[in-house]
Amino acid sequence: KNEVEQSPQNLTAQEGEFITINCSYSVGISALHWLQQHPGGGIVSLFMLSSGKKKHGRLIATINIQEKHSSLHITASHPRDSAVYICAVSRGSQGNLIFGKGTKLSVKP
Amino acid sequence: DAGVIQSPRHEVTEMGQEVTLRCKPISGHDYLFWYRQTMMRGLELLIYFNNNVPIDDSGMPEDRFSAKMPNASFSTLKIQPSEPRDSAVYFCASRRSGTAYGYTFGSGTRLTVV
Repeated sequence: KNEVEQSPQNLTAQEGEFITINCSYSVGISALHWLQQHPGGGIVSLFMLSSGKKKHGRLIATINIQEKHSSLHITASHPRDSAVYICAVSRGSQGNLIFGKGTKLSVKP
Repeated sequence: DAGVIQSPRHEVTEMGQEVTLRCKPISGHDYLFWYRQTMMRGLELLIYFNNNVPIDDSGMPEDRFSAKMPNASFSTLKIQPSEPRDSAVYFCASRRSGTAYGYTFGSGTRLTVV
């Protein structure tokens, strides 16, 4: 079993829909990271969180430490949100990342 | 800041040839990571450095892979000899020490070994 599990693996939505991507982990962590990767592109860090909730524009990330679960929400989705979203966890102060397999999101106009 | 800079962006080489990937981390970042991304396995750690010293190289596939960090502003990942199964995207990332700091990734090097 992978230490970081994401669901769904693939997600297709219509423009304007509210989107949720889930991440569960099975190890102790110092922080959880949400990353975005556009096709053929580099990896951008969206959020790093160790408790509670963070918001940036239309993106919201939450984490429940007790349940070892995090969600990434996208409100009013747009085709430019189409990308692979990757959940990763870091452990300890050195913080090497352990990655989930990613969720491929496609937002149709 | 220019971010983490990787070169080359694309590399096509023949099996058996030596390949060298390069990375310049963000100034002031004392951790540097090399990751490999494939369709089958996703993102995996190869090796990481702290203050130019290799800390964990357990992800390096075999002796054909080697990495160096001669100073705080430069790192290389070398594959010799290269094989078709090494074809992947190789990412370099850096961060500042301390749990409050996130990661910055380079744009990656897409390696194709034919």
